[in-house]
Amino acid sequence: ELKVEQNPLFLSMQEGKNYTIYCNYSTTSDRLYWYRQDPGKSLESLFVLLSNGAVKQEGRLMASLDTKARLSTLHITAAVHDLSATYFCAGGPLRDDKIIFGKGTRLHILP
Amino acid sequence: DVKVTQSSRYLVKRTGEKVFLECVQDMDHENMFWYRQDPGLGLRLIYFSYDVKMKEKGDIPEGYSVSREKKERFSLILESASTNQTSMYLCASSAGWGPQHFGDGTRLSIL
Repeated sequence: ELKVEQNPLFLSMQEGKNYTIYCNYSTTSDRLYWYRQDPGKSLESLFVLLSNGAVKQEGRLMASLDTKARLSTLHITAAVHDLSATYFCAGGPLRDDKIIFGKGTRLHILP
Repeated sequence: DVKVTQSSRYLVKRTGEKVFLECVQDMDHENMFWYRQDPGLGLRLIYFSYDVKMKEKGDIPEGYSVSREKKERFSLILESASTNQTSMYLCASSAGWGPQHFGDGTRLSIL
């Protein structure tokens, strides 16, 4: 059964720095999603990655997928305080309707 | 705009009660999901449905049941509420391999 592991689980960083959140998964996952959750709020979709080598960018966030390495990354460039949130990755094979979520990375960006 | 509506933001019930959580989506999505979210455990899938009257167990179905009589509505039922079911419950819907769209969540307390 697919397992999804994120690291780090907690990250505190300074504004202006770059950092990467890693999402490893244990078996075949043809699709990978990234979500953001603000405190007390629900999840908001950030990126959908459906093929090996897919790269998507939105503002200071960039997500990529390497299905051979079973790895997705979420890269933050020149972090700003507004990006403080919990980020989840989730994946699953295309044949399944369900996806499995990682435990989330709580990101705190210090002003 | 995409909309997933959960019937209650906060709910307090007593042990042994039968509890109904309702979720409605307006996007004509075929897939609907119920998760619970607990600190440190991420999102765990309780049940999902890929069509009207169809349902599949997720990772933690014990103590729960679901109903999907109409495409837009997916109900989660706690047959006999227990204190270990105190949690945040999130409903989501999706189409194909698109991202899941989440409701605002129901924070359920069982006393």
